[in-house]
Amino acid sequence: QLQLQESGPRLVNPSETLSLTCTVSGGSISNNNYYWGWIRQPPGKGLEWIGNIYYSGSTYYNPSLESRVTMSVDTSKNQFSLKLTSVTAADTAVYYCARQSTMIREDIYYYYMDVWGKGTTVTVSS
Amino acid sequence: DIQMTQSPSSLSASVGDRVTITCRASQSINTYLNWYQQKPGKAPNLLIYGASTLQSGVPSRFSGSGSGTDFTLTINSLQPADFSTYYCQQSVSSPYTFGQGTKLEIK
Repeated sequence: QLQLQESGPRLVNPSETLSLTCTVSGGSISNNNYYWGWIRQPPGKGLEWIGNIYYSGSTYYNPSLESRVTMSVDTSKNQFSLKLTSVTAADTAVYYCARQSTMIREDIYYYYMDVWGKGTTVTVSS
Repeated sequence: DIQMTQSPSSLSASVGDRVTITCRASQSINTYLNWYQQKPGKAPNLLIYGASTLQSGVPSRFSGSGSGTDFTLTINSLQPADFSTYYCQQSVSSPYTFGQGTKLEIK
């Protein structure tokens, strides 16, 4: 059974870089059927899609965060990572990693996140 | 970006009721619409993708419909485990935006 686990510092100073890693177990990150993504949720608020990455390294970022986001993948460790620079209190959130799957129906490609990590709370504060 | 608007933002219902949650997109998204359920302190759980396809393992009392800009999630015969927050998400174009959520509470 595929499992995802986020890891990284829980407290980050303002203006510094938030770094998180998602470790994939029970399956290969190099499976060409999937993308791997990050989603965040500020306290008491809704979900925000940050972006996703393919095992080859190709990425899609949310334009609202694109100038500060970098995602990478390490297939040898079955991990993918998120870096968010110049953080402020507004970046305080629960950060989730997730698998993005694809289903083809009548020649249409549908994308959805079907396996999620448990999430990790990151607080930006001095 | 495509804006997703859910209604209502909150809803009270009783066990055994039938409820409907609506999601509207700011432009046509065909059937590129997913629904998730989230319980407090937990990660979201995929319920429906492609507007109407039930994810494996999801009870059949959940159903989704719609295309274009207007979509609905229906839950028949509410069970205690269904009292959660529900989110829609479009997947037609990046960024894959979510609705603001609908909190379903016990009456």
